[in-house]
Amino acid sequence: RKEVEQDPGPFNVPEGATVAFNCTYSNSASQSFFWYRQDCRKEPKLLMSVYSSGNEDGRFTAQLNRASQYISLLIRDSKLSDSATYLCVVNPDSNRDDKIIFGKGTRLHILP
Amino acid sequence: GAVVSQHPSRVICKSGTSVKIECRSLDFQATTMFWYRQFPKQSLMLMATSNEGSKATYEQGVEKDKFLINHASLTLSTLTVTSAHPEDSSFYICSASPSGGPGEQYFGPGTRLTVT
Repeated sequence: RKEVEQDPGPFNVPEGATVAFNCTYSNSASQSFFWYRQDCRKEPKLLMSVYSSGNEDGRFTAQLNRASQYISLLIRDSKLSDSATYLCVVNPDSNRDDKIIFGKGTRLHILP
Repeated sequence: GAVVSQHPSRVICKSGTSVKIECRSLDFQATTMFWYRQFPKQSLMLMATSNEGSKATYEQGVEKDKFLINHASLTLSTLTVTSAHPEDSSFYICSASPSGGPGEQYFGPGTRLTVT
């Protein structure tokens, strides 16, 4: 099983719709979780951290389910500018809190 | 704040030559810098972690003699791809962290290397 797995998509979603992605991770001892966004041929940028109790930032909501070892990202009222690849990122090693593992990403296309 | 630059953004070199890529944190001091590689439609793969003034820690499967990393100051790290081969063609991205914490990595814009 890969350390971090995501559905590669693409998800083609009409503007204004709600879309959700999941990501599973293999190491139950993983400590920290993040969603990054990567635009085509650009560097990844931190979108949000994922906290145990779930957290929201505007139209974006992140959830963590430790029992099932997955995290999710929900985007409400999607905008054209949300089109990007969303990367699930996990810090799997409690002995190395600087190391993060990236998933392959889920591609999202928002359709006008 | 938290800007990281990389140079060059794009480089084409011939097989057998060496290429140096620079990564700079412009407005903060980076305790730790990371080098990643991303092949098309693949995830970013960590190659190595470097702390200023000490030897880099390479991930399994990454040849330290081929990918030379120098982190001479708190704002500059370099990656040198030695004796480049076409299979080294990839997108190389660095990140810098002021604290080393997992959520605090700021990425450079990447360097697209093509080896002919």
